[in-house]
Amino acid sequence: AQSVTQPDIHITVSEGASLELRCNYSYGATPYLFWYVQSPGQGLQLLLKYFSGDTLVQGIKGFEAEFKRSQSSFNLRKPSVHWSDAAEYFCAGGGRRALTFGSGTRLQVQP
Amino acid sequence: NAGVMQNPRHLVRRRGQEARLRCSPMKGHSHVYWYRQLPEEGLKFMVYLQKENIIDESGMPKERFSAEFPKEGPSILRIQQVVRGDSAAYFCASSPLLAGEDTQYFGPGTRLTVL
Repeated sequence: AQSVTQPDIHITVSEGASLELRCNYSYGATPYLFWYVQSPGQGLQLLLKYFSGDTLVQGIKGFEAEFKRSQSSFNLRKPSVHWSDAAEYFCAGGGRRALTFGSGTRLQVQP
Repeated sequence: NAGVMQNPRHLVRRRGQEARLRCSPMKGHSHVYWYRQLPEEGLKFMVYLQKENIIDESGMPKERFSAEFPKEGPSILRIQQVVRGDSAAYFCASSPLLAGEDTQYFGPGTRLTVL
Protein backbone atom coordinates (compact mmCIF):
# COMPACT_ATOMS: atom_id res chain seq x y z
CA ALA A 1 0.00 0.00 0.00
CA GLN A 2 1.13 3.53 -0.68
CA SER A 3 2.09 5.54 2.37
CA VAL A 4 3.75 8.79 3.34
CA THR A 5 5.32 9.21 6.76
CA GLN A 6 6.37 12.38 8.50
CA PRO A 7 8.22 11.23 11.62
CA ASP A 8 8.29 14.61 13.34
CA ILE A 9 4.97 15.85 14.68
CA HIS A 10 6.33 19.11 16.03
CA ILE A 11 9.59 21.01 15.42
CA THR A 12 10.79 24.26 16.96
CA VAL A 13 13.63 26.26 15.45
CA SER A 14 15.05 29.71 16.07
CA GLU A 15 14.56 32.41 13.52
CA GLY A 16 17.50 32.43 11.13
CA ALA A 17 18.38 28.80 11.80
CA SER A 18 18.29 26.13 9.12
CA LEU A 19 15.38 23.73 8.80
CA GLU A 20 14.91 20.19 7.60
CA LEU A 21 11.52 18.44 7.68
CA ARG A 22 11.55 14.72 7.05
CA CYS A 23 9.32 12.76 4.73
CA ASN A 24 9.51 9.08 3.84
CA TYR A 25 7.38 7.37 1.25
CA SER A 26 6.49 3.83 0.37
CA TYR A 27 5.44 3.28 -3.23
CA GLY A 28 5.90 0.56 -5.81
CA ALA A 29 7.37 2.95 -8.36
CA THR A 30 8.72 6.48 -8.22
CA PRO A 31 5.79 8.56 -7.08
CA TYR A 32 5.01 12.15 -7.68
CA LEU A 33 5.92 13.94 -4.46
CA PHE A 34 4.75 17.26 -3.08
CA TRP A 35 5.21 19.54 -0.12
CA TYR A 36 2.32 21.76 0.95
CA VAL A 37 2.11 24.35 3.72
CA GLN A 38 -1.01 25.15 5.72
CA SER A 39 -1.38 28.20 7.95
CA PRO A 40 -3.95 28.02 10.75
CA GLY A 41 -7.49 28.04 9.40
CA GLN A 42 -6.26 28.22 5.82
CA GLY A 43 -6.05 25.97 2.81
CA LEU A 44 -2.97 24.26 1.47
CA GLN A 45 -0.38 26.10 -0.57
CA LEU A 46 1.96 24.17 -2.85
CA LEU A 47 5.62 24.72 -1.96
CA LEU A 48 7.24 22.41 -4.49
CA LYS A 49 6.84 19.17 -6.39
CA TYR A 50 8.94 16.35 -7.81
CA PHE A 51 7.88 14.38 -10.86
CA SER A 52 11.18 13.22 -12.39
CA GLY A 53 14.59 14.49 -13.43
CA ASP A 54 16.77 16.59 -11.17
CA THR A 55 16.45 15.22 -7.65
CA LEU A 56 16.96 18.64 -6.02
CA VAL A 57 13.80 20.67 -6.42
CA GLN A 58 13.47 24.38 -5.76
CA GLY A 59 10.21 25.80 -4.50
CA ILE A 60 8.68 29.03 -3.37
CA LYS A 61 9.63 31.01 -0.28
CA GLY A 62 13.22 29.75 -0.39
CA PHE A 63 12.35 26.09 0.21
CA GLU A 64 13.97 23.15 -1.52
CA ALA A 65 13.60 19.39 -1.29
CA GLU A 66 15.77 16.48 -2.32
CA PHE A 67 14.45 13.19 -3.63
CA LYS A 68 16.59 10.26 -2.47
CA ARG A 69 15.42 6.98 -3.93
CA SER A 70 17.88 4.91 -1.86
CA GLN A 71 16.40 6.29 1.36
CA SER A 72 12.81 6.62 0.12
CA SER A 73 12.92 10.19 1.35
CA PHE A 74 11.87 13.61 0.17
CA ASN A 75 13.02 15.99 2.89
CA LEU A 76 12.19 19.67 2.85
CA ARG A 77 14.91 22.20 3.66
CA LYS A 78 15.35 25.90 4.13
CA PRO A 79 18.71 27.52 4.97
CA SER A 80 17.32 30.35 7.10
CA VAL A 81 13.86 30.25 8.67
CA HIS A 82 11.70 33.35 9.02
CA TRP A 83 9.00 33.85 11.67
CA SER A 84 6.39 33.79 8.92
CA ASP A 85 7.33 30.17 8.14
CA ALA A 86 5.53 28.99 11.27
CA ALA A 87 2.79 26.70 9.95
CA GLU A 88 1.93 23.06 9.36
CA TYR A 89 3.80 21.27 6.58
CA PHE A 90 2.45 18.28 4.71
CA CYS A 91 4.30 15.89 2.48
CA ALA A 92 2.14 14.09 -0.08
CA GLY A 93 2.60 11.47 -2.74
CA GLY A 94 0.54 10.25 -5.64
CA GLY A 95 -0.45 11.13 -9.15
CA ARG A 96 -3.49 11.99 -11.13
CA ARG A 97 -5.69 10.14 -8.67
CA ALA A 98 -5.62 10.41 -4.92
CA LEU A 99 -2.85 12.08 -3.02
CA THR A 100 -1.69 10.33 0.13
CA PHE A 101 -0.74 12.78 2.83
CA GLY A 102 1.57 12.46 5.78
CA SER A 103 0.21 13.44 9.15
CA GLY A 104 2.00 16.78 9.05
CA THR A 105 4.79 18.54 10.92
CA ARG A 106 3.94 21.64 12.89
CA LEU A 107 6.75 24.19 12.77
CA GLN A 108 7.23 26.76 15.50
CA VAL A 109 9.73 29.57 15.06
CA GLN A 110 11.31 31.15 18.12
CA PRO A 111 12.48 34.77 17.97
CA ASN B 1 -6.66 33.43 -12.83
CA ALA B 2 -8.75 32.83 -9.74
CA GLY B 3 -7.81 29.88 -7.58
CA VAL B 4 -10.03 27.05 -6.44
CA MET B 5 -13.15 28.47 -4.82
CA GLN B 6 -15.07 26.80 -2.05
CA ASN B 7 -18.22 27.90 -0.31
CA PRO B 8 -19.33 28.28 2.26
CA ARG B 9 -16.13 28.72 4.23
CA HIS B 10 -17.89 27.80 7.46
CA LEU B 11 -21.02 25.72 7.82
CA VAL B 12 -22.90 24.83 10.98
CA ARG B 13 -25.47 22.07 10.96
CA ARG B 14 -27.46 20.25 13.60
CA ARG B 15 -27.40 16.48 13.74
CA GLY B 16 -29.69 14.99 11.10
CA GLN B 17 -29.52 17.94 8.72
CA GLU B 18 -27.94 17.96 5.28
CA ALA B 19 -24.69 19.70 4.39
CA ARG B 20 -23.86 20.83 0.86
CA LEU B 21 -20.34 21.93 0.08
CA ARG B 22 -19.48 23.58 -3.21
CA CYS B 23 -16.24 23.69 -5.16
CA SER B 24 -15.43 25.64 -8.32
CA PRO B 25 -12.15 24.45 -9.86
CA MET B 26 -9.54 26.72 -11.34
CA LYS B 27 -10.24 27.88 -14.86
CA GLY B 28 -9.23 25.23 -17.36
CA HIS B 29 -9.17 22.44 -14.76
CA SER B 30 -11.44 19.48 -15.35
CA HIS B 31 -10.40 17.22 -12.47
CA VAL B 32 -11.79 17.75 -8.98
CA TYR B 33 -10.82 15.99 -5.77
CA TRP B 34 -12.34 16.13 -2.30
CA TYR B 35 -10.39 15.54 0.90
CA ARG B 36 -11.36 15.56 4.56
CA GLN B 37 -9.16 16.78 7.38
CA LEU B 38 -10.09 15.81 10.90
CA PRO B 39 -8.69 17.92 13.75
CA GLU B 40 -4.96 17.44 14.24
CA GLU B 41 -4.72 15.06 11.29
CA GLY B 42 -3.58 15.09 7.70
CA LEU B 43 -5.88 15.12 4.71
CA LYS B 44 -7.63 11.94 3.66
CA PHE B 45 -8.77 11.41 0.09
CA MET B 46 -12.49 11.00 -0.44
CA VAL B 47 -13.39 11.18 -4.13
CA TYR B 48 -12.02 12.10 -7.56
CA LEU B 49 -14.32 13.39 -10.28
CA GLN B 50 -14.20 14.61 -13.83
CA LYS B 51 -17.09 16.38 -15.49
CA GLU B 52 -20.18 14.18 -15.11
CA ASN B 53 -18.11 11.20 -13.98
CA ILE B 54 -16.96 9.77 -10.68
CA ILE B 55 -13.54 8.30 -11.35
CA ASP B 56 -12.54 7.09 -7.88
CA GLU B 57 -14.69 7.13 -4.77
CA SER B 58 -12.65 4.69 -2.74
CA GLY B 59 -12.32 7.13 0.15
CA MET B 60 -15.99 8.00 0.46
CA PRO B 61 -17.99 6.60 3.36
CA LYS B 62 -20.50 4.10 2.02
CA GLU B 63 -23.52 5.87 3.45
CA ARG B 64 -24.75 9.46 3.61
CA PHE B 65 -21.97 10.91 1.46
CA SER B 66 -22.24 11.66 -2.26
CA ALA B 67 -20.44 13.85 -4.76
CA GLU B 68 -21.13 15.18 -8.21
CA PHE B 69 -19.45 17.37 -10.80
CA PRO B 70 -22.10 18.36 -13.35
CA LYS B 71 -21.43 19.57 -16.85
CA GLU B 72 -22.26 23.08 -15.73
CA GLY B 73 -21.64 24.51 -12.30
CA PRO B 74 -19.54 23.61 -9.31
CA SER B 75 -18.77 20.24 -7.82
CA ILE B 76 -20.96 19.41 -4.83
CA LEU B 77 -20.13 17.25 -1.85
CA ARG B 78 -23.33 16.30 -0.08
CA ILE B 79 -23.59 14.85 3.39
CA GLN B 80 -27.01 13.66 4.45
CA GLN B 81 -28.14 13.27 8.07
CA VAL B 82 -24.94 14.70 9.47
CA VAL B 83 -23.49 13.37 12.72
CA ARG B 84 -20.97 14.92 15.12
CA GLY B 85 -18.19 12.81 13.62
CA ASP B 86 -18.64 14.60 10.29
CA SER B 87 -17.24 17.79 11.84
CA ALA B 88 -14.06 18.45 9.89
CA ALA B 89 -12.50 20.65 7.25
CA TYR B 90 -13.35 19.59 3.74
CA PHE B 91 -10.94 20.59 1.03
CA CYS B 92 -11.42 20.58 -2.68
CA ALA B 93 -8.54 20.46 -5.16
CA SER B 94 -8.41 20.70 -8.92
CA SER B 95 -5.88 19.81 -11.57
CA PRO B 96 -5.66 20.40 -15.31
CA LEU B 97 -6.12 17.78 -18.00
CA LEU B 98 -2.53 17.99 -19.23
CA ALA B 99 -0.08 15.19 -19.79
CA GLY B 100 2.54 15.26 -17.10
CA GLU B 101 0.84 17.97 -15.06
CA ASP B 102 -0.70 16.24 -12.11
CA THR B 103 -0.39 18.95 -9.51
CA GLN B 104 -3.44 19.43 -7.35
CA TYR B 105 -4.28 22.99 -6.31
CA PHE B 106 -6.31 23.35 -3.16
CA GLY B 107 -9.13 25.63 -2.17
CA PRO B 108 -9.45 27.32 1.24
CA GLY B 109 -11.70 24.60 2.59
CA THR B 110 -15.12 24.44 4.20
CA ARG B 111 -15.15 23.95 7.93
CA LEU B 112 -18.19 21.95 8.93
CA THR B 113 -19.37 21.97 12.51
CA VAL B 114 -22.13 19.60 13.55
CA LEU B 115 -23.91 20.55 16.76
